[in-house]
Amino acid sequence: QVQLVQSGTEVKKPGASVKVSCKTSGYSFTDYHLHWVRQAPGQGLQWVGCINPKTGGTYYGQNFQGRVTMTSDTSISTGYLDLTSLTSDDTAVFYCIRETWYFGDWGQGTLVTVSS
Amino acid sequence: DIVMTQSPDSLAVSLGARATINCKSSQSVFHSSTHENHLAWYQQKPGQPPKLLIYGASTRESGVPDRFSGSGSATDFSLTISGLQAEDVSVYYCQQYYSLPRTFGQGTKVEIK
Repeated sequence: QVQLVQSGTEVKKPGASVKVSCKTSGYSFTDYHLHWVRQAPGQGLQWVGCINPKTGGTYYGQNFQGRVTMTSDTSISTGYLDLTSLTSDDTAVFYCIRETWYFGDWGQGTLVTVSS
Repeated sequence: DIVMTQSPDSLAVSLGARATINCKSSQSVFHSSTHENHLAWYQQKPGQPPKLLIYGASTRESGVPDRFSGSGSATDFSLTISGLQAEDVSVYYCQQYYSLPRTFGQGTKVEIK
């Protein structure tokens, strides 16, 4: 079955960077785009961006451009989200998602806490 | 960007009653190549990732109870829960997958009256 397993909780100071991983299994990694979504505490879902693991092509949300980099390692079917210049507004759960047009398969989420 | 607007922000419904959530997109999400509305609904419970309920505006994901139904086309959509159960207490989101960036509605919280 399809699984997306994300890395664990992160605590970072303002101005730092964070890298979240998303290890996938149960499907052909290069056949589906991988998306990332942010959810701040008590808030809604905000799309961060996506990557095409086959080509490495990326598309980032305007709110994150300049601070976000998405990469993938096809040899281990894993996607990565790099976010720099963290502020308290980045305190959130980040989800990776396999896209089959819609978002059918989600990772369990990674909590990133930004605090001095 | 396509803006998704849900209404209401929250609603309280008696057990066994009907709950209806509306979602409006700022432009049509009907995709001519697939002949489908690229509109999905998700359910999210506290501490869990969202779960896909409906795609193509009206197709239930496998395993989703038939009390959940989706309707609508182009820019106006609805999610209906017919016969609310206690386990349906959640936040519900609509999302368009017609174009990038993908966008979600702000969410609707459903509670028991």
